[in-house]
Amino acid sequence: AQSVTQLDSHVSVSEGTPVLLRCNYSSSYSPSLFWYVQHPNKGLQLLLKYTSAATLVKGINGFEAEFKKSETSFHLTKPSAHMSDAAEYFCVVSGAITGTASKLTFGTGTRLQVTL
Amino acid sequence: GAVVSQHPSRVICKSGTSVKIECRSLDFQATTMFWYRQFPKQSLMLMATSNEGSKATYEQGVEKDKFLINHASLTLSTLTVTSAHPEDSSFYICSAKPGVPFDYGYTFGSGTRLTVV
Repeated sequence: AQSVTQLDSHVSVSEGTPVLLRCNYSSSYSPSLFWYVQHPNKGLQLLLKYTSAATLVKGINGFEAEFKKSETSFHLTKPSAHMSDAAEYFCVVSGAITGTASKLTFGTGTRLQVTL
Repeated sequence: GAVVSQHPSRVICKSGTSVKIECRSLDFQATTMFWYRQFPKQSLMLMATSNEGSKATYEQGVEKDKFLINHASLTLSTLTVTSAHPEDSSFYICSAKPGVPFDYGYTFGSGTRLTVV
């Protein structure tokens, strides 16, 4: 079984300041972890993924995340927030394999607000 | 590459009618697709796993007779909400996992906003 906990339901930052969105996971397997972003009434866009390669993962739009096994964490960071980063962010862990793909378990989401 | 196209993006239907939502993989074959439901300001909840050529696997608590899933080809899965009621109003999203060379995670459709009146 697997689960993921996003520690903050809402994060507010000023434009140009760093972003930190926290995620802790639990998995019976060697996990694959993902961060997705969702803009209002839109589907999900993959920011980055970790699949047991380098522990520091770089994604799109300047985001990156570090896999820390000892802390069971996969926090998402960005050095400088832009207004366009305002959205809902989901931390996701893959789990039980179904056919050729694994089931995904979603965190509850973190709403990022970026202010001027 | 690795695009999943979902239609319609928005639908309003009367209570008691049925609505079909389509999910197509445009440039890859998807033997498995996933259907999710998302309530306002909440996370995605997996409803069912759609397998090409076989019956879908439903998550606990999801009524398979209400949410009919058909995955007749490697590029198309459909979700039909039968005898829809206002409580079925929600945002429905499909997903698939492309294989090589699109091996960069799961691709999601743009979602369907269903409103039952």
